[in-house]
Amino acid sequence: EVQLIQSGTEVKKPGTTVKISCKISGYTFTDYFIHWVQQAPGKGLEWMGLVDPEDGEPVYAEKFQGRVTITADTSTDTAYMELTSLRSEDTAVYYCARGEAERPFDYWGQGTLVTVSS
Amino acid sequence: QSALTQEASVSGTVGQKVTLSCTGNSINIGSFAVGWYQQISHSAPKTVMFGDSLPSGIPDRFSGSKSGTTASLTISGLQPEDEGDYYCSTWDYSLSAQVFGGGTKLTVL
Repeated sequence: EVQLIQSGTEVKKPGTTVKISCKISGYTFTDYFIHWVQQAPGKGLEWMGLVDPEDGEPVYAEKFQGRVTITADTSTDTAYMELTSLRSEDTAVYYCARGEAERPFDYWGQGTLVTVSS
Repeated sequence: QSALTQEASVSGTVGQKVTLSCTGNSINIGSFAVGWYQQISHSAPKTVMFGDSLPSGIPDRFSGSKSGTTASLTISGLQPEDEGDYYCSTWDYSLSAQVFGGGTKLTVL
């Protein structure tokens, strides 16, 4: 059974950094990309970027370029999303999702709520 | 503003057939497979259509199609549990990014 299990809720102060994990099971980690998607309260889904665990190569959405780092650790079958210089607008649920190159997502993580508040 | 355009809301009665649309252009929907995702009560999205494929566990009342730069998700025999938000996504060649529609709120009357 394919599973993507994310780390728990985070509460952060403005200007700090958050790092969320997404541990996979049920398939070969390097066979699929891992994407990260942001959903702000009451809003739709927004793609942040992806990582190819095969070579660790990331691709970032223009909106998050410079503030986001997406990595993959093949020793633990875990992907990470780090977002820096947090501001209140970054308060959102963050999802990881699995997909092949240039293809839509087939499996999703359960989501991680990040609250940014002073 | 989303790269893909979806209806803001659609409604139907139990048993009815409803179709949700997702419109893009030649360098996204026109060139790449489309995914459809169901989100109920702010829970994690669930994939209900993946290109031409129905994921395992998704009822066969869900079906997908694409014509040119518009993709459609059809639910035949609408059920109360189908109520929720539906999003489409695809790859965009120009942006080198996965792009989403703004989402459609489906109400089962």
